[in-house]
Amino acid sequence: SAVISQKPSRDICQRGTSLTIQCQVDSQVTMMFWYRQQPGQSLTLIATANQGSEATYESGFVIDKFPISRPNLTFSTLTVSNMSPEDSSIYLCSVDGPSGNTIYFGEGSWLTVV
Amino acid sequence: QKEVEQDPGPLSVPEGAIVSLNCTYSNSAFQYFMWYRQYSRKGPELLMYTYSSGNKEDGRFTAQVDKSSKYISLFIRDSQPSDSATYLCAMTPSMNTGFQKLVFGTGTRLLVSP
Repeated sequence: SAVISQKPSRDICQRGTSLTIQCQVDSQVTMMFWYRQQPGQSLTLIATANQGSEATYESGFVIDKFPISRPNLTFSTLTVSNMSPEDSSIYLCSVDGPSGNTIYFGEGSWLTVV
Repeated sequence: QKEVEQDPGPLSVPEGAIVSLNCTYSNSAFQYFMWYRQYSRKGPELLMYTYSSGNKEDGRFTAQVDKSSKYISLFIRDSQPSDSATYLCAMTPSMNTGFQKLVFGTGTRLLVSP
């Protein structure tokens, strides 16, 4: 399986500010995915990031709120903009497995907005 | 109605018990089924992956898919306190790159007491 590192692992943020989460993979991958896991809720896909193109956002998520960068095949960032307490969540980076038949997750970034 | 339903638990069992974790789903297009284990304050870890109907065994874990009933199960034999975690089911119609989108259950919290 791929080794996926996320930074920061956790943070406490002031409302109205923005935070950028970094995701580094130990191998080149085509697709990277960003998920959100709100307290007591299932994981929800935010967007899919393909290197060299704009990210594809799921219904309910917009680029202005969650801008994503994918500068190369091993790295991506997700920014949570103008945060409110409702954005308090775990944000997870994930990638395709090497055989393309499943996906793997990073450790997650735990954000608390106060 | 959610696409994937999963009892949140908690499910409490004594050490050595056989554990049965289940998910039901409504979308008959789902073909790929996964089980993830998530320890507190950690990212989800892939446990089992199955395609279409049938059983798959890996050590103490058995995954079972019944597409006719839209029902999947994960069995854990000889449960250990280290199995205490939240178990998430996930599924998708396709694993083709660019079309992959996992739909998750909310997770079942399992507590195995010594």
